[in-house]
Amino acid sequence: QQQVKQSPQSLIVQKGGISIINCAYENTAFDYFPWYQQFPGKGPALLIAIRPDVSEKKEGRFTISFNKSAKQFSLHIMDSQPGDSATYFCAAGGRAGNQFYFGTGTSLTVIP
Amino acid sequence: DVKVTQSSRYLVKRTGEKVFLECVQDMDHENMFWYRQDPGLGLRLIYFSYDVKMKEKGDIPEGYSVSREKKERFSLILESASTNQTSMYLCASNHPRQADEKLFFGSGTQLSVL
Repeated sequence: QQQVKQSPQSLIVQKGGISIINCAYENTAFDYFPWYQQFPGKGPALLIAIRPDVSEKKEGRFTISFNKSAKQFSLHIMDSQPGDSATYFCAAGGRAGNQFYFGTGTSLTVIP
Repeated sequence: DVKVTQSSRYLVKRTGEKVFLECVQDMDHENMFWYRQDPGLGLRLIYFSYDVKMKEKGDIPEGYSVSREKKERFSLILESASTNQTSMYLCASNHPRQADEKLFFGSGTQLSVL
């Protein structure tokens, strides 16, 4: 059973556009929702994360929107740049289980 | 900066071989994890360890074992490699009490089993 469902699988956006990736989770015990960015040949690296006590977190061009009642969260990349082209993974987890569940990934391509 | 080092970037092994994947972290993290990454399936947890000599099964432990004899080192063992274990293997670590629970990943080992 997929604990975290992520969509879309791939995304192509024009430079300057907004990229939106969505995730949904099942377990209401999760209390930490990170997004990881992975470039080819590298391991994933933390991009931004949110806890369920807030509905939005913004860091530069990257924003997480969190909807606790719907058990959904999304990543918005404003003013998308070719350098943002990477694979993005959402994840969910928390201290209770020490375990993180990852989505299936979204391959983002930003066209110049 | 935290560094998680995986011993090999690429490995090619034969079916039935015993395979060792090594991971070392340099930040005194208590938690260490092994994931495998497959296209369309994302990252799936194989095993994790929260202390020396302690281990917990993840979602897909079948066909794998692990060893953690020292805090900084976490090894993944494929007792008898099979072709369906061809994958990218990622090691990660974190500190259970750090505020952001951030996982630090190695660069991965691409294992091909022929």
